Amino acid sequence: KNEVEQSPQNLTAQEGEFITINCSYSVGISALHWLQQHPGGGIVSLFMLSSGKKKHGRLIATINIQEKHSSLHITASHPRDSAVYICAVMETSGSRLTFGEGTQLTVNP
Amino acid sequence: DTEVTQTPKHLVMGMTNKKSLKCEQHMGHRAMYWYKQKAKKPPELMFVYSYEKLSINESVPSRFSPECPNSSLLNLHLHALQPEDSALYLCASSRLAGVGGEQFFGPGTRLTVL
Repeated sequence: KNEVEQSPQNLTAQEGEFITINCSYSVGISALHWLQQHPGGGIVSLFMLSSGKKKHGRLIATINIQEKHSSLHITASHPRDSAVYICAVMETSGSRLTFGEGTQLTVNP
Repeated sequence: DTEVTQTPKHLVMGMTNKKSLKCEQHMGHRAMYWYKQKAKKPPELMFVYSYEKLSINESVPSRFSPECPNSSLLNLHLHALQPEDSALYLCASSRLAGVGGEQFFGPGTRLTVL
């Protein structure tokens, strides 16, 4: 079992739909990251959070430390949101990120 | 400047070649990282430099040789690579290594070994 698990692996949505991607982890963490990777490679850090909720534009990230679970929400999805979304955790005992397998999101017009 | 830059963007090399990948940041970050990413897989950590000293080496083959000449630059020297080394190589930096270290990633170098 991976230390970081994401669901779903693949997600297809119509433009305008509300999207949720989930991340569960099994280790103690100091922070959780949500990353976005477009075709072609570059990774963009969307959020780093250790408690509660953060919002940036149409993106919202939440984390429940007790349940070891985080969600990334996209409101009013758009085709340009199509990308791979990766959850990664920084373990309290370590100095490196542990990555989930990623969620491939496709938003159709 | 909140950017991590990497050169080249693409590199094709033969198994006998010697080449280098370069990474640069001007955010004053004291930790820099090399990752290798195969298609449809998450990044795998290769090396971490903290305060210009190698702090993590994930048992990467010696045909990969990192170098951190100063706090803004991180190189990855390549020699006698194998076709299975073809991948996207990502550089990242963070203010500090470990706790509190939000990582900023570069655009990557797509490496093809023939």
